[in-house]
Parts: sequence; C-alpha cells; structure tokens
Amino acid sequence: DAGVIQSPRHEVTEMGQEVTLRCKPISGHDYLFWYRQTMMRGLELLIYFNNNVPIDDSGMPEDRFSAKMPNASFSTLKIQPSEPRDSAVYFCASSSPGVTEAFFGQGTRLTVV
Amino acid sequence: GENVEQHPSTLSVQEGDSAVIKCTYSDSASNYFPWYKQELGKGPQLIIDIRSNVGEKKDQRIAVTLNKTAKHFSLHITETQPEDSAVYFCAAREEFNKFYFGSGTKLNVKP
Repeated sequence: DAGVIQSPRHEVTEMGQEVTLRCKPISGHDYLFWYRQTMMRGLELLIYFNNNVPIDDSGMPEDRFSAKMPNASFSTLKIQPSEPRDSAVYFCASSSPGVTEAFFGQGTRLTVV
Repeated sequence: GENVEQHPSTLSVQEGDSAVIKCTYSDSASNYFPWYKQELGKGPQLIIDIRSNVGEKKDQRIAVTLNKTAKHFSLHITETQPEDSAVYFCAAREEFNKFYFGSGTKLNVKP
C-alpha cells in the first residue's frame, strides 16, 4: 500500500482565497483524522471520521473550516476564506479497529499571504 | 478531554549517550500510548507503543515505560545515533481511535 496520500504537498495562497486539501486514506482503514501542526500549538486534532461520518469536529477552529468524506477513499479539508493565521502543516491520518496506530500522510504545508 | 504534557521541548545529547523524554496525561481512561518520530518534511511515524496493561516495552535501542497510577510514560533511547535526531511526540488515546498528542521534543544527537 502506498500509505496515506495527501495533496498538494505545498500550497501558497492569498488571504481570502478558498483552499482545499485532499487526502486518500489507506485502503481498508475506516477512521480518518485531520490534524494541524504549528510551532505554537503542536499537533491539533481538527476532525475525525468513522466510516465516512464525522464523529467529532470540536477541534475545527472556525466556521471557515469544513471537512467532507464523500467515500471511503477520499476526504477534503476546505478553508474559505483563508487567513494568514491558517498557515500551518495539515496532516491526514488513517486507522482501523484492527490497527492501533494512526498512519500519517506527508502533510500539506499551507502558506497564506 | 485528555491533556498530554511532554518534556523537555528540546534535548541535546552526545552520540552514544541515552535520551529520555517524559509525558503525563490527565484522563485515567486512556489505554494506549504511542510514540511517534517526525523527521524534517515528513509525517509522524510510529516507533513504539504501549498499552495500559503493560508497564514496560522494549524494541532494540528504544523502550517505553508506563506508570498508570501516576499517569506518566517515558521514552528511552539508548546508544543514540545521529539518525535519531528528529522531533518525538507522545500521544494518549482516550476513546477508541481519538489521539491526543504532546507538544513534541526536538532531539539533537551530536556526533
């Protein structure tokens, strides 16, 4: 398996623009997590899904952030409108009941200017 | 919710020395404690983990200890090598598959 795949690896956008981050979990994993990593706050859990259903989105910072999982092999995290303080590395991870650890993707480094 | 604290934030050791990173957690219901290593430009990768019914686990040069009563767990790396230089994160799993991470420790192993 290729692991968790995220795209793009890097994204630079202007303030106010819409940004969409994409994730393909490991096949067969039914849990998917979105994390944000910054120097100040470390790794923060934004939202997680189980069987494509959002279970806990209490970590989503504002209504500008939204996440979807239309099927078992794809998820998006959208920021609209983006702000400079959204600049961070966003990680997607997946797991399953038969696997205790969470497998992380390579991350998307987002820069909002 | 769970709160995981990790210390130190940076650690510098000489090659061959040991390194110890400590974490505490707040929720006694947490039952699984993984440690992740993150190299520059990459996502975190699991290096060792321990469940709440075990006190210690070892894998070659790395070991993890867990004290459930005191709610703390530690990562021990012996005979450190330059390739051990990375950021290390501890985590605690509260309910099934919801992980809370520590703030990370940047380990620098000097040759």
